[in-house]
Amino acid sequence: EAGVAQSPRYKIIEKRQSVAFWCNPISGHATLYWYQQILGQGPKLLIQFQNNGVVDDSQLPKDRFSAERLKGVDSTLKIQPAKLEDSAVYLCASSKESGRGRWDTQYFGPGTRLTVL
Amino acid sequence: GIQVEQSPPDLILQEGANSTLRCNFSDSVNNLQWFHQNPWGQLINLFYIPSGTKQNGRLSATTVATERYSLLYISSSQTTDSGVYFCAARSNDYKLSFGAGTTVTVRA
Repeated sequence: EAGVAQSPRYKIIEKRQSVAFWCNPISGHATLYWYQQILGQGPKLLIQFQNNGVVDDSQLPKDRFSAERLKGVDSTLKIQPAKLEDSAVYLCASSKESGRGRWDTQYFGPGTRLTVL
Repeated sequence: GIQVEQSPPDLILQEGANSTLRCNFSDSVNNLQWFHQNPWGQLINLFYIPSGTKQNGRLSATTVATERYSLLYISSSQTTDSGVYFCAARSNDYKLSFGAGTTVTVRA
C-alpha cells in the first residue's frame, strides 16, 4: 500500500513570495490533514478535510494561507505572501475516518521543508 | 483543545538499556497515538492506543485513560531508536494535539 505522498520535499523562497504544496493521501482515506511543524516543536494542525469539506480550520492563518481538496482526493496548501515565521515543515496526513465519532490512525507523509529568507 | 505534556524532554541511553517515556493529557481521549520522528523528519506510527496495552517487538505502550496518561516502553534500546518520540491525543474537538516530544539519543 502506497503511503501519503507530498511534493516538493524542499522549498526555499524569499519573504512575500508565494508557495504551494501538494499532497496525495492513501487511497480510500476520507480524511486529510495539513500540519505545520516548527523546529523543536510538535506538529500543529492547520486544516482538516473530510472528503472535500472542511472540518476544522481554526488554526489556519486565513489572511495568507489557503487550502483546497477538490474531488475529495489530493490537496494543495498555499501561502501567499510568505513571512519569515512560516519557515517550517509542512506535513500532510490521512486517515480512514469517515464520520464523527469514528476515529482511526493518522498516517503522515514525508513533509515539505520550507525556508523563507 | 486538549493539552498534552511529555516527559522527560530529553533522554540519553546506552545501547541495550530500557526506558519509559510518559505522556499526560488534560481530558478524556478517544484517540491517542505514539509516533517516532526519525532524523529525516518522517513521522512513523508506533501505536494507536486510546486505552489498554499493546506490544510491537521491543516497544510497548500502555494507556490508562481514567488517569489520563500513557507510557511508552523501549526495551534493549538500539542506536536506530534515536529520534524524537511524540504523543498525540484527541478529545471531542476532533483535533489531534501533539506534545512537545521526547528526544531520545541512544549511544553505542
